[in-house]
Amino acid sequence: DAGITQSPRHKVTETGTPVTLRCHQTENHRYMYWYRQDPGHGLRLIHYSYGVKDTDKGEVSDGYSVSRSKTEDFLLTLESATSSQTSVYFCANADRETGELFFGEGSRLTVL
Amino acid sequence: GQSLEQPSEVTAVEGAIVQINCTYQTSGFYGLSWYQQHDGGAPTFLSYNALDGLEETGRFSSFLSRSDSYGYLLLQELQMKDSASYFCAALKAAGNKLTFGGGTRVLVKP
Repeated sequence: DAGITQSPRHKVTETGTPVTLRCHQTENHRYMYWYRQDPGHGLRLIHYSYGVKDTDKGEVSDGYSVSRSKTEDFLLTLESATSSQTSVYFCANADRETGELFFGEGSRLTVL
Repeated sequence: GQSLEQPSEVTAVEGAIVQINCTYQTSGFYGLSWYQQHDGGAPTFLSYNALDGLEETGRFSSFLSRSDSYGYLLLQELQMKDSASYFCAALKAAGNKLTFGGGTRVLVKP
């Protein structure tokens, strides 16, 4: 358990509105990640961070931005939500390069 | 690009053995992980193979062949609680990034 808390856990919003999902860790793990999970696509990496203010794009980063101003918080922002961004979003962290990620409980986002 | 292929669904009875294969095409490949996810839950880590060979952890074992770009997860003495989705994931050295396969849904019947 790497003490990850995601908020909000559920959100319904309308197309065109901004949305921010928050990921908070109680451990000082170096790496943090945002994934989205959709039926038939498994987990796809949106953005990740390898340190404070150090972030990089994943395979499905269009329409998303992230920020990591503190070790413990990793924010995912949808500047203008679209229906295609309806998904379950998982935050994860890792402290070592061993292929072991610790996942939060997920945030279910519905964009109408 | 990167891709991982695994079967979409497997059905077996309690007490049986199931093998979930995973083939990958990944540049900068570092190792292969396996995760379990129950419906409505978060993925949880099962195993990681960086070297060729078999890693055993209780009823679950994982195998990797780097020369064949292939790995598998072996579930033994299946129990009802093993009904879940299982994902293989390739680790890239740069950035400690994991790319996931589409998942294999395992259904265990009495």
